[in-house]
Amino acid sequence: DPKIIQKPKYLVAVTGSEKILICEQYLGHNAMYWYRQSAKKPLEFMFSYSYQKLMDNQTASSRFQPQSSKKNHLDLQITALKPDDSATYFCASSQDGTGGAETLYFGSGTRLTVL
Amino acid sequence: QQQVRQSPQSLTVWEGETAILNCSYEDSTFDYFPWYHQFPGESPALLIAIRPVSNKKEDGRFTIFFNKREKKFSLHIADSQPGDSATYFCAAMDNAGAKLTFGGGTRLTVRP
Repeated sequence: DPKIIQKPKYLVAVTGSEKILICEQYLGHNAMYWYRQSAKKPLEFMFSYSYQKLMDNQTASSRFQPQSSKKNHLDLQITALKPDDSATYFCASSQDGTGGAETLYFGSGTRLTVL
Repeated sequence: QQQVRQSPQSLTVWEGETAILNCSYEDSTFDYFPWYHQFPGESPALLIAIRPVSNKKEDGRFTIFFNKREKKFSLHIADSQPGDSATYFCAAMDNAGAKLTFGGGTRLTVRP
């Protein structure tokens, strides 16, 4: 059974619209992340949360907003979608986000296409 | 900005050969260096990792060689198999948090 669930698996949106990508993890981890993968940037870090607090944000645009309603949830809201936002978005989790030698576990991804 | 550079972008080897994938980094605060592999249509998964206290880490056919002075590390895949064909990403993490900075990836093809 998948331990990190991402929904939906595929998503098609029109330019200017807003979408929410869902991520739930059942590994008992305290840290969660979002990464983006596209042809231009293979695995790009976006956000990290530890104990539901934002730890790091490498996303320049405020159109991307993570939302953590529960300890094991980290959704990603994207507003005013652009074709350049088309990518696969991976959610990941790790034990507590303090660094050292933590292993990140990745979900299966949401492939977003913006027309 | 923290960067991890990876080469080559693509690599083709014959079955049984050793594949060598290379990475370098700039930031001296990095202290954990994992390699992830990703098969088509799947998510990245941890393959093997090393910390700078060691200059070599082995796990079966996979070996990381680490050169702290030159800020370089490499993944050697011995006796390559067609099933090893995937994209391999090196990465680095510092001790200030668990953010992984990934290299650009190497697409490995192992021909039978």
